[in-house]
Amino acid sequence: QKEVEQNSGPLSVPEGAIASLNCTYSDRGSQSFFWYRQYSGKSPELIMSIYSNGDKEDGRFTAQLNKASQYVSLLIRDSQPSDSATYLCALRMNRDDKIIFGKGTRLHILP
Amino acid sequence: EAGVVQSPRYKIIEKKQPVAFWCNPISGHNTLYWYLQNLGQGPELLIRYENEEAVDDSQLPKDRFSAERLKGVDSTLKIQPAELGDSAVYLCASSLGVGRSDTQYFGPGTRLTVL
Repeated sequence: QKEVEQNSGPLSVPEGAIASLNCTYSDRGSQSFFWYRQYSGKSPELIMSIYSNGDKEDGRFTAQLNKASQYVSLLIRDSQPSDSATYLCALRMNRDDKIIFGKGTRLHILP
Repeated sequence: EAGVVQSPRYKIIEKKQPVAFWCNPISGHNTLYWYLQNLGQGPELLIRYENEEAVDDSQLPKDRFSAERLKGVDSTLKIQPAELGDSAVYLCASSLGVGRSDTQYFGPGTRLTVL
């Protein structure tokens, strides 16, 4: 199993709907999880971080973490065309503090 | 506050030529990272510095890649000689380097094309 796995997409979601992005990981000891947004030709930009089981909300974004099942997800409510981007899941490995990225999920919001 | 600065933004070279990338991190950030990102992939760590010390260079191809971070601020990543497969975006990131909530901030990247 790869350390961080994401569906590469593209995931197409109608404008105004909820976009759900998922990520699974293999390192049970990881404590820190991140979601980055990357527009085409741009660098990754942090949008959410989460460290404890449960939900964390920030505006239209909600990150969900389930350490027992080893998955982290990102929900985007009221999706906007400007949300169209690649979303990268990342975590900090417990054994060496290295940050590992998934391949990213391409999200396309349909106007 | 100024973000992470990288230069050049774009570089086109012929194979076997040398190339160097420069990064200036956010002021006060002790940790500096160099990543490589291929199209359709996530960033992959090449090297991580804590101040002047390279604490993780396990993924750096040392036969052709080298890096330095003099005085614990700016950093340079060099490739000599470049190969066709080195074409990618090279990202620099920096962070304060403290605690599990330590957040990385990325620079704009250098897009390298090797012909």
